[in-house]
Amino acid sequence: SAVISQKPSRDICQRGTSLTIQCQVDSQVTMMFWYRQQPGQSLTLIATANQGSEATYESGFVIDKFPISRPNLTFSTLTVSNMSPEDSSIYLCSVEHNREAFFGQGTRLTVV
Amino acid sequence: DQQVKQNSPSLSVQEGRISILNCDYTNSMFDYFLWYKKYPAEGPTFLISISSIKDKNEDGRFTVFLNKSAKHLSLHIVPSQPGDSAVYFCAAYSGGGADGLTFGKGTHLIIQP
Repeated sequence: SAVISQKPSRDICQRGTSLTIQCQVDSQVTMMFWYRQQPGQSLTLIATANQGSEATYESGFVIDKFPISRPNLTFSTLTVSNMSPEDSSIYLCSVEHNREAFFGQGTRLTVV
Repeated sequence: DQQVKQNSPSLSVQEGRISILNCDYTNSMFDYFLWYKKYPAEGPTFLISISSIKDKNEDGRFTVFLNKSAKHLSLHIVPSQPGDSAVYFCAAYSGGGADGLTFGKGTHLIIQP
């Protein structure tokens, strides 16, 4: 299995500011995924983060808004930039390890 | 267009009885399916999975059935317990998961005493 530590668990932020979410994994994994779950919706993939290369973003998500770092095989960050109330959501990091998916605890973001 | 569909937003089952949660998919390239359980204010946790080469997988009280021809899978919980009350997400991926998971919208299971 893989254990993921995600921080912060929740935050309330002012619009126009940025928040960086961190995920630390206790195993080396090639791919890390960042998801968003907006109220009443399923988990939506934001981007895939591979170590040593640029993150790959899904349709509707851009690097300027959600910059991602992946400096090594156990760590990644997602920044939500220039936040607006529409960014209020739960953000999750995930890894696939031995064909199972593991999620962080989630970051509940509220933008006011 | 949703590739993974959970058409029942909620399901109420009496404690001790069988809970059946359903999931349909449209992408024939999906070859691995997972169920996640989510409590309020917590991230989803992995519950059980099934590969497309199988039609059934059991783990304790949880059994997942896969009908490839119908592109349908179901999660059975027997017997249902109060702690099973949660939102259950069906998810799928193809090709080793390189494209990430595709999730359904979830079914809220309520176990009644």
